[in-house]
Amino acid sequence: DAGITQSPRHKVTETGTPVTLRCHQTENHRYMYWYRQDPGHGLRLIHYSYGVKDTDKGEVSDGYSVSRSKTEDFLLTLESATSSQTSVYFCAISPTGDTGELFFGEGSRLTVL
Amino acid sequence: RKEVEQDPGPFNVPEGATVAFNCTYSNSASQSFFWYRQDCRKEPKLLMSVYSSGNEDGRFTAQLNRASQYISLLIRDSKLSDSATYLCVVTVAGTYKYIFGTGTRLKVLA
Repeated sequence: DAGITQSPRHKVTETGTPVTLRCHQTENHRYMYWYRQDPGHGLRLIHYSYGVKDTDKGEVSDGYSVSRSKTEDFLLTLESATSSQTSVYFCAISPTGDTGELFFGEGSRLTVL
Repeated sequence: RKEVEQDPGPFNVPEGATVAFNCTYSNSASQSFFWYRQDCRKEPKLLMSVYSSGNEDGRFTAQLNRASQYISLLIRDSKLSDSATYLCVVTVAGTYKYIFGTGTRLKVLA
């Protein structure tokens, strides 16, 4: 299995609080992704990174920011969590960014009350 | 219209049956194609890549039709362990994005 660790794995927070999810990889892959998964919507891309300090928006980026200061870490921040951001968040990595396999972390389940 | 569309199912089939899933994509610049499998409350995992000439891996066969912009997955001799959600994934040339369909749920019945 690819070395991807997400933390925390479970979090319950209140509306309006900031939340940061961390994705850590040991594969030295260049491309990293944050998805959210909700019933009826499947996996939707929030943000992705194509190198250190290089990030771009996905289809559902509003309310989220990301940072990647090192190859191995990709952080997803909810500046002020809302109930609509209750979801399962998956981090993924890829060696090629287009033709290669996408490897996923185990997911982080976030509940915003 | 979603970029990648799948029938959500569920498909309930008896053990030993053959079942086929289709997936359509809207961007003609789509470059690479994959089928992923996701078990309940788990992360998605690659089932197989899909090549232009079609490809087979044991009981699984994937086909790509670029002209009609769809890909398919055929599962022969279904097993109980095949019960899962099958996700169609597409990448678009010139981007680094992997776009997922909403998934098709399969339940194989004893």
